[in-house]
Amino acid sequence: QLQLQESGPGLVKPSETLSLTCVVSGGSIISSSHYWAWVRQPPGKRLEYIGSIFYSGTAYQNPSLKSRITISVDTSKNQFSLRLNSVTAADTAVYYCARQDNTEPYFDNWGQGTRVTVSA
Amino acid sequence: EIVLMQSPATLSVSPGERATLSCRASQSIDTKLAWYQQRPGQAPSLLIYGASTRSTGVPPRFSGSASGTEFTLTISSLQSEDFAVYYCQQYKNWPQTFGQGTKVEIK
Repeated sequence: QLQLQESGPGLVKPSETLSLTCVVSGGSIISSSHYWAWVRQPPGKRLEYIGSIFYSGTAYQNPSLKSRITISVDTSKNQFSLRLNSVTAADTAVYYCARQDNTEPYFDNWGQGTRVTVSA
Repeated sequence: EIVLMQSPATLSVSPGERATLSCRASQSIDTKLAWYQQRPGQAPSLLIYGASTRSTGVPPRFSGSASGTEFTLTISSLQSEDFAVYYCQQYKNWPQTFGQGTKVEIK
């Protein structure tokens, strides 16, 4: 059974860089049928798509965040990562990693989520 | 960016009753719509994709339909585990976007 698990610091200072990793288990990240994605949910707000990456390294970012985010993949460790720089309080959210269908990009498997607070 | 508006914000339903949730898209998205269930403290879980196809393992009491830019999720007979927040998501246009959610609570 495929499982995704996020990890990273729960507290980040304003203007610093948020770094999260998602480890995939129970299946290979090398899949021609899937992208690997990041989605976040600020407190009391709707889910927001951040970006996705293919195992080859091809990445897509939400234009609203594109200048600040980097998504990378490490197939040897079966994991992918998110870096979000110059964070502000508006980046406080629960961050989820998820698997995304390649042709119909809904999210069919999700990690449990990790809460990140941006505060001094 | 396509905006999805869900209604109502909160739906109070008794166990065993029918629940009808709506999601309206700001422009045509064909049937490129998914529904997710999020129980308290848990990650979202895929229920429906392609507007009406149930994901693997989803009970048949969950059904989805579409009419133009209006989408409906129906839960035919609410069980205790169905009280949760439900989100719609469009994947017709980039970037994918989500609705603001409908909370289904016990009446």
